[in-house]
Amino acid sequence: GDSVTQTEGQVALSEEDFLTIHCNYSASGYPALFWYVQYPGEGPQFLFRASRDKEKGSSRGFEATYDKGTTSFHLRKASVQESDSAVYYCALGTANSGTYQRFGTGTKLQVVP
Amino acid sequence: AQTIHQWPVAEIKAVGSPLSLGCTIKGKSSPNLYWYWQATGGTLQQLFYSITVGQVESVVQLNLSASRPKDDQFILSTEKLLLSHSGFYLCAWSLGGVQNTLYFGAGTRLSVL
Repeated sequence: GDSVTQTEGQVALSEEDFLTIHCNYSASGYPALFWYVQYPGEGPQFLFRASRDKEKGSSRGFEATYDKGTTSFHLRKASVQESDSAVYYCALGTANSGTYQRFGTGTKLQVVP
Repeated sequence: AQTIHQWPVAEIKAVGSPLSLGCTIKGKSSPNLYWYWQATGGTLQQLFYSITVGQVESVVQLNLSASRPKDDQFILSTEKLLLSHSGFYLCAWSLGGVQNTLYFGAGTRLSVL
């Protein structure tokens, strides 16, 4: 079945470091891919989405490029700030997945000043 | 602008007691509605979805039920709480299917003792 894999459970960085959070997916066709961010005690917030090969999504300095060849949608940011500390979720939705938007296990980002 | 309101913000309940959580969406007509559950430190698990008033589909059996009595209201309930029901309950809406963005409420923190 469709699935999303986030390999990093936790990432610890210093301010101004470069961030990469890996997301790989397994699905047929062209699923829509999403990144959400969740701050402590809050519901997840939509960051951005992409639905076509080579399409780039971006928001708040974060970006990811849909890569069908490597089935990936890695999240990147050139210079993180302490306020970026949160849990980041990759998700996918396909026409075949019914009403299931599948979420990865999440990556907790901690940025220290 | 669309708003999503969940109530209550938090609940502490005894095992075996009943539960009712609510969600209201304003500013959108006929949205798809979802209930998600998140264990502490865990990922997002979809529980129910509804595409129209009076119709609710279950995704995971957790001894919970859901209803959509109005276009803008989604209710999650059970007659007897279990310890395993503890966690963070999130209501979300989208326009159309899961290839579209989910917009989450602030959530309800439930502790079952």
